[in-house]
Amino acid sequence: AQTVTQSQPEMSVQEAETVTLSCTYDTSENNYYLFWYKQPPSRQMILVIRQEAYKQQNATENRFSVNFQKAAKSFSLKISDSQLGDTAMYFCAFMKHAEYGNKLVFGAGTILRVKS
Amino acid sequence: DAGVTQSPTHLIKTRGQQVTLRCSPISGHKSVSWYQQVLGQGPQFIFQYYEKEERGRGNFPDRFSARQFPNYSSELNVNALLLGDSALYLCASSLGTVPGFEKLFFGSGTQLSVL
Repeated sequence: AQTVTQSQPEMSVQEAETVTLSCTYDTSENNYYLFWYKQPPSRQMILVIRQEAYKQQNATENRFSVNFQKAAKSFSLKISDSQLGDTAMYFCAFMKHAEYGNKLVFGAGTILRVKS
Repeated sequence: DAGVTQSPTHLIKTRGQQVTLRCSPISGHKSVSWYQQVLGQGPQFIFQYYEKEERGRGNFPDRFSARQFPNYSSELNVNALLLGDSALYLCASSLGTVPGFEKLFFGSGTQLSVL
């Protein structure tokens, strides 16, 4: 079974600064996908960024980028130029390749607070 | 276009009762997934349905069941409610044509409280 661990329950960052959220996972699969989701107070889960395990290049989406270390089973999220609207709960998630069922395995989450 | 809609937004039930939660996917999406998010934890996968057939089931007891209708909307039913069923129930929709990597679109959830 796959597990996802987020070791930072809470993080805070000053507006315009950079912050990195950590995530490690455990799997015996070779092909899989990794995701970061954001859950603001509205409770709606929003996809931030996704990474295919067979791609060595780290994914980037505007101010969001990941550091994917497959051998170490590590998948951290870097948020640059933090904005007040980035305040939310962030979840790291894993999905097996080509698995029907859309079964995401989530970590416990990291609360990120952006301060002005 | 409307996003994923869930109803009701909040619900209070007592132990032993039964509850039905509803989800309407984004227009054109044929797949619906259900997740349970207990306070302080990440969501846990319950079910996925595609074209009215169950494609995936998480580690939940038989008290949990679901179905998908011809218009692709879905219902999640929970029987014999326990206090531990108190959680936010999230619905997610996707096209359903590419297993594993499709972008999931989530609704804002139904907050169920069991007293």
